[in-house]
Amino acid sequence: NAGVTQTPKFQVLKTGQSMTLQCAQDMNHEYMSWYRQDPGMGLRLIHYSVGAGITDQGEVPNGYNVSRSTTEDFPLRLLSAAPSQTSVYFCASRPSRGPNEQFFGPGTRLTVL
Amino acid sequence: AQSVTQLDSQVPVFEEAPVELRCNYSSSVSVYLFWYVQYPNQGLQLLLKYLSGSTLVKGINGFEAEFNKSQTSFHLRKPSVHISDTAEYFCAVSLNTGGFKTIFGAGTRLFVKA
Repeated sequence: NAGVTQTPKFQVLKTGQSMTLQCAQDMNHEYMSWYRQDPGMGLRLIHYSVGAGITDQGEVPNGYNVSRSTTEDFPLRLLSAAPSQTSVYFCASRPSRGPNEQFFGPGTRLTVL
Repeated sequence: AQSVTQLDSQVPVFEEAPVELRCNYSSSVSVYLFWYVQYPNQGLQLLLKYLSGSTLVKGINGFEAEFNKSQTSFHLRKPSVHISDTAEYFCAVSLNTGGFKTIFGAGTRLFVKA
């Protein structure tokens, strides 16, 4: 099993550009989520999904969109990048039933100039 | 509101010394507790978890943590650290509500010196 994979690993954008961060998992987990990690702030939840076709906002959703057309994939779209979105982004998945641990991808380091 | 507080942002320690990383939480519902470790330039991975039963839980790499319900704490300990334990450690709580929402602490950077 590959677990949770994320692409790209690094990305530099200019202000106003859009892009999609890809996330896929092969563990058949219903629950997937996107976090951003900023120094001293831990992980903050951007969006999450409890299954295909179902998504919801987390703590810091502004400027991001998600969709979940399959169980495996959960892409994160930046609509119009801003310097405040410079961060490291992590995708995670877990079974939805019960208090299960989350499995994290390796992260995408995004810089917005 | 629920929250997780990691009391130390950085903990420097010499190799082979003991270490304790402190975590306190606040919640109006019962919780499940986790510690994750993040090595440089990697994602997070589970170190240990408390779901029920014995309040002392053992994890990977010689770490253990004790759940103290009265003090709402879940401190992480290791009796003798190695250079390879240098990493960032995150405490997290999963709320015992539908969906099991997870809240992470801000992280503690453990730096082990030779």
